[in-house]
Amino acid sequence: ETGVTQSPTHLIKTRGQQVTLRCSSQSGHNTVSWYQQALGQGPQFIFQYYREEENGRGNFPPRFSGLQFPNYSSELNVNALELDDSALYLCASSLAGLNTEAFFGQGTRLTVV
Amino acid sequence: AQSVTQPDIHITVSEGASLELRCNYSYGATPYLFWYVQSPGQGLQLLLKYFSGDTLVQGIKGFEAEFKRSQSSFNLRKPSVHWSDAAEYFCAVVPYSGGGADGLTFGKGTHLIIQP
Repeated sequence: ETGVTQSPTHLIKTRGQQVTLRCSSQSGHNTVSWYQQALGQGPQFIFQYYREEENGRGNFPPRFSGLQFPNYSSELNVNALELDDSALYLCASSLAGLNTEAFFGQGTRLTVV
Repeated sequence: AQSVTQPDIHITVSEGASLELRCNYSYGATPYLFWYVQSPGQGLQLLLKYFSGDTLVQGIKGFEAEFKRSQSSFNLRKPSVHWSDAAEYFCAVVPYSGGGADGLTFGKGTHLIIQP
């Protein structure tokens, strides 16, 4: 079990609504990444935060946004929810750099109806 | 852009038999390579990684993987599988040039089924 915790574990939202997902990093980790995993697919990189700044982003529209706080915890916000946003959202924490391991949380299962 | 291909969507192996899961990547240079495992309802756990050096890397749970530059492959192997190995397996890459900020690019996964 990793030290990365995500909340909530499940939630259901209506199309057009907004949602905030939360992630607490493993102690000592200063980098947080978020991934979207649709059913039957591999995770897709949404963005990464380092020292409270977004320093990398995948192919996701601006309605996907995030925050990283001074304690390195993070939020993922999604506005104007669409049905296709239904997925498992995974948070990963790590130390900055390439030669480090990313530790994943158990994810938040979002269902948009 | 880099991509990862896992050709086998499902693989069924008898308990005690050997296992090989295939992974091919497409990238202009040597990326950093990873294998993750995901059990139902769980997050991802790192099995092993390759950054440089010896092309045969050992991981947790008795897994190993071999990097073959000429084939752009990073196949995962285990000599004898256990029922607890049943899970989804993902190969992933991260480009060296991005300094890690480009995130991991994952394959679509291989679902491993263990039969008694």
